[in-house]
Amino acid sequence: AQSVTQLDSHVSVSEGTPVLLRCNYSSSYSPSLFWYVQHPNKGLQLLLKYTSAATLVKGINGFEAEFKKSETSFHLTKPSAHMSDAAEYFCVVIQKEGTALIFGKGTTLSVSS
Amino acid sequence: DVKVTQSSRYLVKRTGEKVFLECVQDMDHENMFWYRQDPGLGLRLIYFSYDVKMKEKGDIPEGYSVSREKKERFSLILESASTNQTSMYLCASSFNSGSGSYNEQFFGPGTRLTVL
Repeated sequence: AQSVTQLDSHVSVSEGTPVLLRCNYSSSYSPSLFWYVQHPNKGLQLLLKYTSAATLVKGINGFEAEFKKSETSFHLTKPSAHMSDAAEYFCVVIQKEGTALIFGKGTTLSVSS
Repeated sequence: DVKVTQSSRYLVKRTGEKVFLECVQDMDHENMFWYRQDPGLGLRLIYFSYDVKMKEKGDIPEGYSVSREKKERFSLILESASTNQTSMYLCASSFNSGSGSYNEQFFGPGTRLTVL
């Protein structure tokens, strides 16, 4: 069965410093992986997705993630954090089109000035 | 833009009441989903539907049922609400491209349900 583990429940960074949110997955098949973001009192928004094309995926707002099969990881990064990046981030796996997403438990990103 | 709307942002009900949560999408998506979100647990799937009148159980279907009579509408029903069903409920939809690509799910804003 597929699963997702987000290794940090909370990450704190200073504005202008790099962001790293870690995600490991477990899957019997070649997975599709996503990162979603949820700002306070807002709906979930797709940041980026990996679907077996390029292993380095670029998303919105300067975020990117690299799929590493050997490490079963899909970490989310951003070179320079902005205050507006403060939110909860979810790493997600899906194995088959149309089936539901499997969410990690989320990582709360705090950004201080 | 895809729009997924949910009937209420906040709802307060009493134990034992029958509760209906409505979700409507405007992009003719085949797939619709209901999740609940709880702190520290992420999102967990309750039910999903591939087509009108079709439904599949997710990970935590106990205490819930669903209805999909029209393609654009997917309802979540709490037959007899209990306090442990106090949660944020999120609806999502996606389409089947048939090309093997994996399509994102679009989420509604959520309904925060409190059962007293």
